[in-house]
Amino acid sequence: DTGVSQNPRHKITKRGQNVTFRCDPISEHNRLYWYRQTLGQGPEFLTYFQNEAQLEKSRLLSDRFSAERPKGSFSTLEIQRTEQGDSAMYLCASSYPGGDYGYTFGSGTRLTVV
Amino acid sequence: QKEVEQNSGPLSVPEGAIASLNCTYSDRGSQSFFWYRQYSGKSPELIMFIYSNGDKEDGRFTAQLNKASQYVSLLIRDSQPSDSATYLCAVNMRGNFNKFYFGSGTKLNVKP
Repeated sequence: DTGVSQNPRHKITKRGQNVTFRCDPISEHNRLYWYRQTLGQGPEFLTYFQNEAQLEKSRLLSDRFSAERPKGSFSTLEIQRTEQGDSAMYLCASSYPGGDYGYTFGSGTRLTVV
Repeated sequence: QKEVEQNSGPLSVPEGAIASLNCTYSDRGSQSFFWYRQYSGKSPELIMFIYSNGDKEDGRFTAQLNKASQYVSLLIRDSQPSDSATYLCAVNMRGNFNKFYFGSGTKLNVKP
């Protein structure tokens, strides 16, 4: 078990381009979460999955954002038509059911939109 | 009012001292409270969680919870320079255990 893995670590893209991030959770964890963190702020909830079902989405997740978790394993987060305001660290986390013991975060994907 | 509030700091303490980090939250019904440590450029790392009023100790760390005052704190005894980081408080809200609200974090500097 190597923890939660996120790829890529860094992504620089031009405004208007689409980007996709991948997250591989800890294998025993059936809960998977996406958060976004901007400089000087704490992580903000975007969405979470239980197995392959996306059970909650934040209002922060506009129509340009979509997340999937096919087969309940890895997850992808896609941002279409990126904007400069999308520049942030995108964090994936996983947990046991209920999250009672907290999350394990991945190393994050830092997105810079130029 | 933010759901979770922390003093942004920086909080500076000398090596070997006790560092006290504080957090207040808005939802009286919150039940789960977590402290994460985040080094610059890295992702948050879970330090402790607490559910019941009172103190919970784990090594040099003690979490304190007072639900009546909607207040949770983290004490770090015998602070080390390696403890220098941003400490994030996370709280579940509105009975939803599936997501947490994070404070903006308190930056701690431990001076050798």
